[in-house]
Amino acid sequence: DGGITQSPKYLFRKEGQNVTLSCEQNLNHDAMYWYRQDPGQGLRLIYYSQIVNDFQKGDIAEGYSVSREKKESFPLTVTSAQKNPTAFYLCASSIILDRGYISNQPQHFGDGTRLSIL
Amino acid sequence: GENVEQHPSTLSVQEGDSAVIKCTYSDSASNYFPWYKQELGKRPQLIIDIRSNVGEKKDQRIAVTLNKTAKHFSLHITETQPEDSAVYFCAALGQGGKLIFGQGTELSVKP
Repeated sequence: DGGITQSPKYLFRKEGQNVTLSCEQNLNHDAMYWYRQDPGQGLRLIYYSQIVNDFQKGDIAEGYSVSREKKESFPLTVTSAQKNPTAFYLCASSIILDRGYISNQPQHFGDGTRLSIL
Repeated sequence: GENVEQHPSTLSVQEGDSAVIKCTYSDSASNYFPWYKQELGKRPQLIIDIRSNVGEKKDQRIAVTLNKTAKHFSLHITETQPEDSAVYFCAALGQGGKLIFGQGTELSVKP
């Protein structure tokens, strides 16, 4: 979906370094998500946000942080506390019809960022 | 905890044959079940989804069936083509409104 842009496509992290992955969408979606995908594995939810200036932890939030200052943007920071950051990171967005079930509408994904350790 | 089990992990079929991928879920309150196709190194793309108020949904060569009593749902691809080769993920809406993904099925369609 051309409406979600992730950058960079490839990223390398040095020991003790924080890195930030960008996710921008022009679909006017309220909800945005960050997932981590390891080789041969499914997607695991890191953080999600339903509205500007609000976000919630997913299943594997430790070592990550996010912000949602604008509706269009949901950057993810991989901190030095994340000891095994090598993975494929996917950002997604969706509309919200029922705030009790933020994920019951189709999620549209970006092209992903592949993060590796130097 | 909540989980989605997906089988098989790999599936190889001849071009023109049918392929079936099955998933079971643990949360009986789940009411939304999407399927995604992911080609190597690319984004997952939604190919079909189903809600709990129906038992089957079709879109050309792709169909999904849902059995709420047994808590399982399946993806059926008929007349497979080499371009159907990819990893397929099922997902179910879990508690707190979050999607829970299966582990994926690598489908290989041999010409």
